Amino acid sequence: VTLLEQNPRWRLVPRGQAVNLRCILKNSQYPWMSWYQQDLQKQLQWLFTLRSPGDKEVKSLPGADYLATRVTDTELRLQVANMSQGRTLYCTCSAQGDYAEQFFGPGTRLTVL
Amino acid sequence: GDSVTQTEGQVALSEEDFLTIHCNYSASGYPALFWYVQYPGEGPQFLFRASRDKEKGSSRGFEATYNKEATSFHLQKASVQESDSAVYYCALSDPPGNTRKLIFGLGTTLQVQP
Repeated sequence: VTLLEQNPRWRLVPRGQAVNLRCILKNSQYPWMSWYQQDLQKQLQWLFTLRSPGDKEVKSLPGADYLATRVTDTELRLQVANMSQGRTLYCTCSAQGDYAEQFFGPGTRLTVL
Repeated sequence: GDSVTQTEGQVALSEEDFLTIHCNYSASGYPALFWYVQYPGEGPQFLFRASRDKEKGSSRGFEATYNKEATSFHLQKASVQESDSAVYYCALSDPPGNTRKLIFGLGTTLQVQP
């Protein structure tokens, strides 16, 4: 059963251009939604967790700037800007409660042109 | 800050070999510990977790025991199969109890030859 849908699945991004990603939650039992990035060396790094509609956060990391928004109970968005190196962005979801496992989506692979 | 160290970057085995992937952590509190597996072209998948000292987590023949004194959570499997070839990540929850932020090790690529 697929819990998360991510689109697009891949995108070529011209240098200096921003790209918008979407993540759709298919099961409301896992309302805690997060974004992770995986760099070209396969290192995974947490970016954000947004629980409620209207939550918004920004972050700048080496190689990209991020703006994350929890749009609704089932939709999470991520804007990626100023990307200098390719990466894959994963959306995750988890249930309420301590130590709940996180389920990862299929990912969006971004390549810089 | 908190961190996770996986000693082996790559492991090459033959089918039915015994597997150990070493994981050590550094944390200011009492974290929960996790193992995830990632197959090519897919997102990471949860394998199992342990949240207290001496607790054993297990799934699909893999297991690890939380060792607070040694700050370790080593992954083991008695007899690997070719289908186990994947990247394995050890992770901890930070801060403890907030599992939405996981800190991952760099990953260990397991290659199993038939």
